Amino acid sequence: GDSVTQTEGLVTVTEGLPVKLNCTYQTTYLTIAFFWYVQYLNEAPQVLLRSSTDNKRTEHQGFHATLHKSSSSFHLQKSSAQLSDSALYYCALSQGGSAKLIFGEGTKLTVSS
Amino acid sequence: NAGVIQTPRHKVTGKGQEATLWCEPISGHSAVFWYRQTIVQGLEFLTYFRNQAPIDDSGMPKERFSAQMPNQSHSTLKIQSTQPQDSAVYLCASSLVGGENTLYFGAGTRLSVL
Repeated sequence: GDSVTQTEGLVTVTEGLPVKLNCTYQTTYLTIAFFWYVQYLNEAPQVLLRSSTDNKRTEHQGFHATLHKSSSSFHLQKSSAQLSDSALYYCALSQGGSAKLIFGEGTKLTVSS
Repeated sequence: NAGVIQTPRHKVTGKGQEATLWCEPISGHSAVFWYRQTIVQGLEFLTYFRNQAPIDDSGMPKERFSAQMPNQSHSTLKIQSTQPQDSAVYLCASSLVGGENTLYFGAGTRLSVL
């Protein structure tokens, strides 16, 4: 069935180093949109990035992601992690223009000094 | 804009009791969603309303769980005969219909079933 997979449950990186959070998907729909949500401790999830265009890089707050339909991926990357980036990150899929989002399992990012 | 408001923030119930969770969506948003968040499962979709009508309840456990949206300013999620496995954070989200379909989440209600 349609699904979103985040392979790493926990990622730890040293401040200043690059970070990459993986997200892949399975869908039968041609029209899709992808989101990255970030959830800081004791807060609501909030949207970080959104993309619906194949092979177009999307950037926000130092993070970037590119939707690659050829590899069914929408990985999140940052060139230099900051302590304040420590949070829970979710990848999410919208299919066929639906407002309903299918979320991945989430990746907890810990940035250490 | 106050964002999505969920009450209560924390609720503790005994096994077998009923729990009702409340959500006030962002004014002007016509789509309302309920998700359940656990460490093991992440964010699980429960149900979705558009213009107060139920659209998709495919994620709702068929027994004990029900959701309503009696007016455009609030939705409720009711869990009857709560069980320990119902313990989770229940998140409500709202969005505009059409456009980018970005969901805006509330802070959630943490339900603890003892």
